[in-house]
Amino acid sequence: RKEVEQDPGPFNVPEGATVAFNCTYSNSASQSFFWYRQDCRKEPKLLMSVYSSGNEDGRFTAQLNRASQYISLLIRDSKLSDSATYLCVVNRNYGQNFVFGPGTRLSVLP
Amino acid sequence: EAQVTQNPRYLITVTGKKLTVTCSQNMNHEYMSWYRQDPGLGLRQIYYSMNVEVTDKGDVPEGYKVSRKEKRNFPLILESPSPNQTSLYFCASRVKDGYLYEQYFGPGTRLTVT
Repeated sequence: RKEVEQDPGPFNVPEGATVAFNCTYSNSASQSFFWYRQDCRKEPKLLMSVYSSGNEDGRFTAQLNRASQYISLLIRDSKLSDSATYLCVVNRNYGQNFVFGPGTRLSVLP
Repeated sequence: EAQVTQNPRYLITVTGKKLTVTCSQNMNHEYMSWYRQDPGLGLRQIYYSMNVEVTDKGDVPEGYKVSRKEKRNFPLILESPSPNQTSLYFCASRVKDGYLYEQYFGPGTRLTVT
């Protein structure tokens, strides 16, 4: 089993749709959780850090369930510009080992 | 402008010819890291550094070396490249303390080893 797993995708959704991404991690000692987005052939960029109580940033909502070792990302009112690959990132310990999931590709269609 | 730079951006080389990919950041970050990205495998950490003269192995260090002589620079060295090191490489930096701070990535180096 991979240490960080994500929905395989791709997700093809119409503009305005709500889309949810799921991520599970296997290391119960993980303390830091992030969602990054990566445009084709570009560098990853931070979308959101994920806080224990969950957090929201505009159209984006992230949730963390430590008991189930599960992280989610919800995008409401999808825009064409949301088309990208979404990467779930978990740190392995209190140190600086970061583990990336394989990513889920999203295409928002007009 | 705060940024991480990598050079070269594209490189085609032959098996066994030593090469260095440079990485530099201007944000005074203590932590720097190298990743490789391959289709279906995601980004995998090669090496990371918590500060000058402090480096540690990530998940896929075989065939790579790093050094951290200055805070701003973290070069990746391939002593004897092989075709299985053909990949997209990213350098990243962040502040050391606090576990919710983001990593800033360089633009990537696309390496092909023939």
